[in-house]
Amino acid sequence: GAVVSQHPSWVICKSGTSVKIECRSLDFQATTMFWYRQFPKQSLMLMATSNEGSKATYEQGVEKDKFLINHASLTLSTLTVTSAHPEDSSFYICSARDLQGGNSPLHFGNGTRLTVT
Amino acid sequence: AQSVTQLGSHVSVSEGALVLLRCNYSSSVPPYLFWYVQYPNQGLQLLLKYTSAATLVKGINGFEAEFKKSETSFHLTKPSAHMSDAAEYFCAVSDPDFNKFYFGSGTKLNVKP
Repeated sequence: GAVVSQHPSWVICKSGTSVKIECRSLDFQATTMFWYRQFPKQSLMLMATSNEGSKATYEQGVEKDKFLINHASLTLSTLTVTSAHPEDSSFYICSARDLQGGNSPLHFGNGTRLTVT
Repeated sequence: AQSVTQLGSHVSVSEGALVLLRCNYSSSVPPYLFWYVQYPNQGLQLLLKYTSAATLVKGINGFEAEFKKSETSFHLTKPSAHMSDAAEYFCAVSDPDFNKFYFGSGTKLNVKP
């Protein structure tokens, strides 16, 4: 079945540095990918919708200059957390939409645990 | 606007007992409804989905859910819980174009031996 690979699975960085998270669709083309953030013991919060070849659409309250999204190819979207601060520590999950897939329109990566010290 | 509400952030059952996880939805258009399972530090895995076909939907691992329009519900059930079912479960709703998914707050299932 369709697989979404998210890398890295965990990262620890110092306050003020930037971190890039990659989301790849391995066996299908994803014109649309979604980035979610999950706080401890809470649900997934949609941050932005990433469209291949165009600018991402951010949800209300999400800083686009803070969370840079690039979707340069049909199989890769990246999320860069710029000038990270401890409050950015969270679990980030990407998903990709496979319109050709019969079972599920959304396939999820395994998430990235970001800890900012 | 679309949203889902999951009643009960924690549910605890004994091994072999019935599992019932509740989900109610709100949608201004015919909804597509999903149940996902999340194991610690992992992404989400699809259990089952409703996309306007049969109202009783069977999924993986023995789970099933019934779409009840009159009650705006999509509760998840399993006749007999296994220890391996312990995880967090999320109900989600999307529009028919799958443009956006909205997730409930999640229900953590604990299975006691």
